[in-house]
Amino acid sequence: DIQMTQSPSSLSASVGDRVTITCRASQGIRNDLGWYQQKPGKAPKRLIYAASSLQSGVPSRFSGSGSGTEFTLTISSLQPEDFATYYCLQSNSYPFTFGGGTKVEIK
Amino acid sequence: EVQLVESGGGLVQPGGSLRLSCAASGFTVSSSWMTWVRQTPGKGLEWVANINQDGSAKNYVDSVKGRFTISRDNAKNSLYLQMNSLRAEDTAVYYCVRDGIWGQGTMVTVAS
Repeated sequence: DIQMTQSPSSLSASVGDRVTITCRASQGIRNDLGWYQQKPGKAPKRLIYAASSLQSGVPSRFSGSGSGTEFTLTISSLQPEDFATYYCLQSNSYPFTFGGGTKVEIK
Repeated sequence: EVQLVESGGGLVQPGGSLRLSCAASGFTVSSSWMTWVRQTPGKGLEWVANINQDGSAKNYVDSVKGRFTISRDNAKNSLYLQMNSLRAEDTAVYYCVRDGIWGQGTMVTVAS
């Protein structure tokens, strides 16, 4: 199985900060990666698909990059509604696998 | 509006069975791969299984192979997950997913 190592596991940031979250795949997955945001008690919401394509309706402050084994999710200017947990998901090889999550908290 | 609504969760004893259902609206399930994902309380997400448009291809995570069966009924526009030989570690919220769209989830608790 492909292991997805997500870092950091948590971070504290202030409104307006630039935030970067990384996912590393244990083997190459081309660009078969998505990023998800989950708020407490809610289902995850997809932000990015195919590593860098913005899901319709998602604010442009979210962006994704990377290919192969290293991927990043960047929030250019953190907003109050962005405090949540973020997950990556590889969809290159079965079984698909999620990263362990990054909890973004208010500093 | 595209919507997925899961049902069928509940409390079951170890070794028991449950059948989860996912009703789709706003699109036809026959047009997409459909997926089940689960989340253990307070923990991360685990991809469980998916099925292709006509049901001819199914994939599972190793921990559920031989115990869970994913299926679909395109006429009813629905997705299912038959779960047999349930274990405590299957306790989770189960989500139905289609191409980035998630249902609200249904809770499955396996306990005596």
